[in-house]
Amino acid sequence: ETGVTQSPTHLIKTRGQQVTLRCSSQSGHNTVSWYQQALGQGPQFIFQYYREEENGRGNFPPRFSGLQFPNYSSELNVNALELDDSALYLCASSRDGTNTEAFFGQGTRLTVV
Amino acid sequence: GDSVTQMEGPVTLSEEAFLTINCTYTATGYPSLFWYVQYPGEGLQLLLKATKADDKGSNKGFEATYRKETTSFHLEKGSVQVSDSAVYFCALSLASGYSTLTFGKGTMLLVSP
Repeated sequence: ETGVTQSPTHLIKTRGQQVTLRCSSQSGHNTVSWYQQALGQGPQFIFQYYREEENGRGNFPPRFSGLQFPNYSSELNVNALELDDSALYLCASSRDGTNTEAFFGQGTRLTVV
Repeated sequence: GDSVTQMEGPVTLSEEAFLTINCTYTATGYPSLFWYVQYPGEGLQLLLKATKADDKGSNKGFEATYRKETTSFHLEKGSVQVSDSAVYFCALSLASGYSTLTFGKGTMLLVSP
């Protein structure tokens, strides 16, 4: 079975721009969660999608938004980028909305300048 | 709110030394507990888990026991190897509602030959 893949691996954007990050979930998984990992910190939960619906959200502003597609792949969109948005963005997939057995991708390193 | 506290690193050990990384948690319900490992430049990998009190998770020589009375889930390994050098994250997930992972800040382990 294929693992979780994220694209791109690295990205540099300018403050105020918009960015889209992509995630392909592991085969058989219908739930995708996104996390932000700032340098030297643990991952922080952004939101989760289960069968194309948002299933929970962490303490992130509305300019962080997402989508899940019928094949359960997902996008994370961030508008009006700020310098503090620079981080590693991790996608995790799991079965049936529980996120208990979460498998992570390698992440997208976003740098905002 | 729910939280995870880990000992600060880096933890520096010689090969074949005994490893303990402390982890304590605060949770309103009955969480599942996890240890994830992150190697340089990679995403997170599940190392081990325990879903109820007194459960012991184990994998690749690592062990951790779910102690409800002390709200702890300390990671141990009897003899570390250079290849164990990585950042280790303790995390919890609640069984109710939508389950997401709450992570500690991570503990870097450096093992020298």
